[in-house]
Amino acid sequence: EVQLLESGGGLVQPEGSLRVSCAASGFTFTDYAMSWVRQVPGGGLEWVSSISSGGGIRHHADSVKGRFTISRDNSKNILYLQMDSLKPEDAGVYYCARGLGPTINVEYFQYWGQGTLVAVS
Amino acid sequence: EIVLTQSPATLSFSPGERATLSCRASQSVGKYLVWYQQKPGQAPRLLIYDASNRATGIPARFTGSGSGTDFTLTITSLEPEDFAVYYCQQRGSWPPLFGGGTKVEIK
Repeated sequence: EVQLLESGGGLVQPEGSLRVSCAASGFTFTDYAMSWVRQVPGGGLEWVSSISSGGGIRHHADSVKGRFTISRDNSKNILYLQMDSLKPEDAGVYYCARGLGPTINVEYFQYWGQGTLVAVS
Repeated sequence: EIVLTQSPATLSFSPGERATLSCRASQSVGKYLVWYQQKPGQAPRLLIYDASNRATGIPARFTGSGSGTDFTLTITSLEPEDFAVYYCQQRGSWPPLFGGGTKVEIK
């Protein structure tokens, strides 16, 4: 069974930093690109970042480019999102989601974690 | 950047009724439109991919249709567990973007 378990959320001050993690199990982690999708208060979903299966290709939304960095540790099956220079509008629930294959494509998200809450205030 | 519009924001139905939800794209996404269901406190759940393909385990009462810029999610007979928020997402061009969602509530 595919499982994605996020952790690391919390309350941080504006301009602060936070790293959230996603532990993956139930599938071969190195076979899949991974993504972060956030849900802002009020409900809207926003794609944040994606990383290829080997970690060599990364994409970030314009709203977080230069502030957030996605990475992965394939030896530990963990996905990370380092968030720096946080703004109040970055607050929300951060979900990790599995892609369809090893490369970053415009894709859909079949598996999601339960999310970790980030508050910026 | 493609914009997805889901309107209205809220629809009210009684159990057993047929629900039709709309998602309109600002430009063509071909067949590359996805639907998710989200219940309070839960992550989104994949329902339909590429306009009309049901994801694994999704009941047959959920049907997706459309192409280009106009898409529809139909729930033929609403069950109590179907009252939730439904989001569409386009994967026709980068970046993947979501619609604002339609809440299906009990009348």
